[in-house]
Amino acid sequence: DTGVSQDPRHKITKRGQNVTFRCDPISEHNRLYWYRQTLGQGPEFLTYFQNEAQLEKSRLLSDRFSAERPKGSFSTLEIQRTEQGDSAMYLCASSLDLATLSYEQYFGPGTRLTVT
Amino acid sequence: GIQVEQSPPDLILQEGANSTLRCNFSDSVNNLQWFHQNPWGQLINLFYIPSGTKQNGRLSATTVATERYSLLYISSSQTTDSGVYFCAVEEEGGSEKLVFGKGMKLTVNP
Repeated sequence: DTGVSQDPRHKITKRGQNVTFRCDPISEHNRLYWYRQTLGQGPEFLTYFQNEAQLEKSRLLSDRFSAERPKGSFSTLEIQRTEQGDSAMYLCASSLDLATLSYEQYFGPGTRLTVT
Repeated sequence: GIQVEQSPPDLILQEGANSTLRCNFSDSVNNLQWFHQNPWGQLINLFYIPSGTKQNGRLSATTVATERYSLLYISSSQTTDSGVYFCAVEEEGGSEKLVFGKGMKLTVNP
């Protein structure tokens, strides 16, 4: 098992452009989470999925943000019409190993977004 | 929602010293995790410890759920222990998300 992976690792975009990030969770996990971290702060929850169902969305997730997990495996997070305030590290995590019933969350390396 | 407070916010140590990091939380929790964030931003799992005591090498952690706090002990610190340490909790009866503290920046000097 290679852990949670995210792509790309870095993204620089101009204000107003759309961006999409991908997360591949640990294969045995059925829960997938997205968090955002700005400089000097702890990560903040954005949304999470159990299998393909999106079960909760934070108020931080404006209408410009959308997340999908179409087949219950990988997930994408899209930001439309990016703003400079969207610049942050976007972290993905997965949990719930049904074999061990462990709820421990494991994080990917993150995608660092810079909006110019 | 649940509040998570970490102390101290910053700590500077000489190599070989011991340290204790504290995490207070305002409500009952289902889950508590300690992480170390490396300079590249990767969150590394240290402990999954909703209650009790665990040890892993030079690190150990204790969570007293009834008193709503957790402690992370680092013994014989090394320069590679430098970084930011986060405590994160999942509120009991709440959603499945982790709520993070603001972190504690540890600097270990040689």
